[in-house]
Amino acid sequence: QQQVKQSPQSLIVQKGGISIINCAYENTAFDYFPWYQQFPGKGPALLIAIRPDVSEKKEGRFTISFNKSAKQFSLHIMDSQPGDSATYFCAASYLGGADGLTFGKGTHLIIQP
Amino acid sequence: KAGVTQTPRYLIKTRGQQVTLSCSPISGHRSVSWYQQTPGQGLQFLFEYFSETQRNKGNFPGRFSGRQFSNSRSEMNVSTLELGDSALYLCASSLDSPVYQPQHFGDGTRLSIL
Repeated sequence: QQQVKQSPQSLIVQKGGISIINCAYENTAFDYFPWYQQFPGKGPALLIAIRPDVSEKKEGRFTISFNKSAKQFSLHIMDSQPGDSATYFCAASYLGGADGLTFGKGTHLIIQP
Repeated sequence: KAGVTQTPRYLIKTRGQQVTLSCSPISGHRSVSWYQQTPGQGLQFLFEYFSETQRNKGNFPGRFSGRQFSNSRSEMNVSTLELGDSALYLCASSLDSPVYQPQHFGDGTRLSIL
């Protein structure tokens, strides 16, 4: 059972554009939503994370938007750069959950120069 | 500060064999989690150890097991290997609970089953 659905699977954005990746979750117990970035041959690296008590969190060019009622959250990458080309994963977890981080299936992002 | 170190980086085994993978967490981190990454299933949680005790376990068969040592280093073992066990195995460490604290991933062990 996939508890976190991520879209799109792949995304091509022009340099300088905005990259948007969306995730939807089912388990209302989730209360921690991180985003990870993974380059080929490397492990995932935490980009930014949000708790449900805020609707938006920004760190540099990366912003998470969170909609608790819709059970959706999204990652926006402003002024996308070729170096941002990677696979991005959303994830969710909650205290007391037995499943660790539940990950989305990932989005392969390509920024064209 | 050194990151999470996983050894070996690559491993080739045949069906029926067993394998042990190793993970050294970031110094001071006491929680170690293991994940399996495959193209089809994505990243799936295997188990989490804290202070030498398994705190959480994902939905994997009993052939997958792990342990943690007093220095927080962790190993995972897979017995009676099957072709479907071919995957990238990732280890992640965090200070305490992996729920609200950043998990730092190693670069993984790529396991291929022939």
